[in-house]
Amino acid sequence: LAKTTQPISMDSYEGQEVNITCSHNNIATNDYITWYQQFPSQGPRFIIQGYKTKVTNEVASLFIPADRKSSTLSLPRVSLSDTAVYYCLVFMDTGRRALTFGSGTRLQVQP
Amino acid sequence: GAVVSQHPSRVICKSGTSVKIECRSLDFQATTMFWYRQFPKQSLMLMATSNEGSKATYEQGVEKDKFLINHASLTLSTLTVTSAHPEDSSFYICSRARPTYNEQFFGPGTRLTVL
Repeated sequence: LAKTTQPISMDSYEGQEVNITCSHNNIATNDYITWYQQFPSQGPRFIIQGYKTKVTNEVASLFIPADRKSSTLSLPRVSLSDTAVYYCLVFMDTGRRALTFGSGTRLQVQP
Repeated sequence: GAVVSQHPSRVICKSGTSVKIECRSLDFQATTMFWYRQFPKQSLMLMATSNEGSKATYEQGVEKDKFLINHASLTLSTLTVTSAHPEDSSFYICSRARPTYNEQFFGPGTRLTVL
C-alpha cells in the first residue's frame, strides 16, 4: 500500500472551508485515494473516494491532480461537529487486505 | 445504518482475566474481517486478519496465544484477550470489506480498560 503524508494537525473556525492535502508519491496505477473520518472513541467512517480529477458528494470534495501524487480533501463550511481525525489512504481491493493507516490529520474546529 | 457492530462497546476488567469482544457483520456475509488496535492519540494498527473457517493471520509482534481470534461463522468474528494486563488497555476496532466497492466498513470500536 502506498505511503501517505499529511499534516499532523489543522485548526479552523466554524463556517470556513478546510483543505487537507495528502502526499502519496508512490501511488500505483490501480490505487484509489480514500479519505476516512474518525471521531473520538468511534470507528473510522468513509468520507470520499476518487481515482482522478474531482469527486464531490454531500460531505466533501476530493481534488486529484493529473499525476495523482497528491490529493486534497475539501470540507466546505466546517462546523464544530467536523472536529475529528482525517485519514488519507491509498489502496485497491480491500476484500482480502487490511488498510494501513498513517498518522492522520487532527482537525480542530473552533467557534 | 451500521453494518458492522461490536459488543461490548466498553469493558473494564481486572488484570489476569480474559475478555471477549464480538464483531458482527450485519448485512453481508464476510469471509474476511480485520481487527485493529488504537492507543490514545495514535493511529489504527492492524492486529490480525480473521478468516472464516481457518486460522487468523497475525501481524508481526501480536501474540496469537494472547489475542485469540475465532471466525466461526460468516457474520461473526470474536477477539478474546487472554490474561489481560494494563498494557492491553486500548480501543479495539474491527472491519470488513464492502462487497464490489473499494472500501471497508468499520465497527464502532470497543474500549478495553484493564485495571
